[in-house]
Amino acid sequence: EAQVTQNPRYLITVTGKKLTVTCSQNMNHEYMSWYRQDPGLGLRQIYYSMNVEVTDKGDVPEGYKVSRKEKRNFPLILESPSPNQTSLYFCASRRTGESFYYGYTFGSGTRLTVV
Amino acid sequence: AQSVTQPDIHITVSEGASLELRCNYSYGATPYLFWYVQSPGQGLQLLLKYFSGDTLVQGIKGFEAEFKRSQSSFNLRKPSVHWSDAAEYFCAVVTYSGGYQKVTFGTGTKLQVIP
Repeated sequence: EAQVTQNPRYLITVTGKKLTVTCSQNMNHEYMSWYRQDPGLGLRQIYYSMNVEVTDKGDVPEGYKVSRKEKRNFPLILESPSPNQTSLYFCASRRTGESFYYGYTFGSGTRLTVV
Repeated sequence: AQSVTQPDIHITVSEGASLELRCNYSYGATPYLFWYVQSPGQGLQLLLKYFSGDTLVQGIKGFEAEFKRSQSSFNLRKPSVHWSDAAEYFCAVVTYSGGYQKVTFGTGTKLQVIP
């Protein structure tokens, strides 16, 4: 089944403790992206990657890091989480070029709470 | 810069009634337009998309949307709502900026369906 898999689904952590949220897709998509979803703000893009070793900042990149060493994986790293990073996070992937017609495939989300 | 407005934060309809969710965009040219649905605890799923041609597009689950250039709108409609349609709905605009595709999501409309 074509899918984007995020782990974990739920995470509670303390301020300053480094964490990684994993994202993996099995569709051979070039483009991957991380979004955070907050009430009243919709989805805001954190980082995206056009292909392996090619990443760039989205609209709200502060406090986050990403890497794209393999095509299928795009982990989101919070080096020193803070309470304002409490949010619902989504990983998404899509084909590039004319294939963006197909839109994104989204993961099921990771609900992060930083206390 | 492009923007997307979903003026209704929350809508309640009776099962069997018709539905229209509003979406307005701001962009200098004709953008690519999408509607996504997010069921509780799930990621976003693509409902339908518009790129060009016929301004009335059909999607999954019985939804349709109409692009109106003069009103900069892309409203989502369904003739008869089912209880399973209760979810949050996001309009999205895809534009080109500096050679890159930019996806901007609206803030979402939460649909409640009452018996």
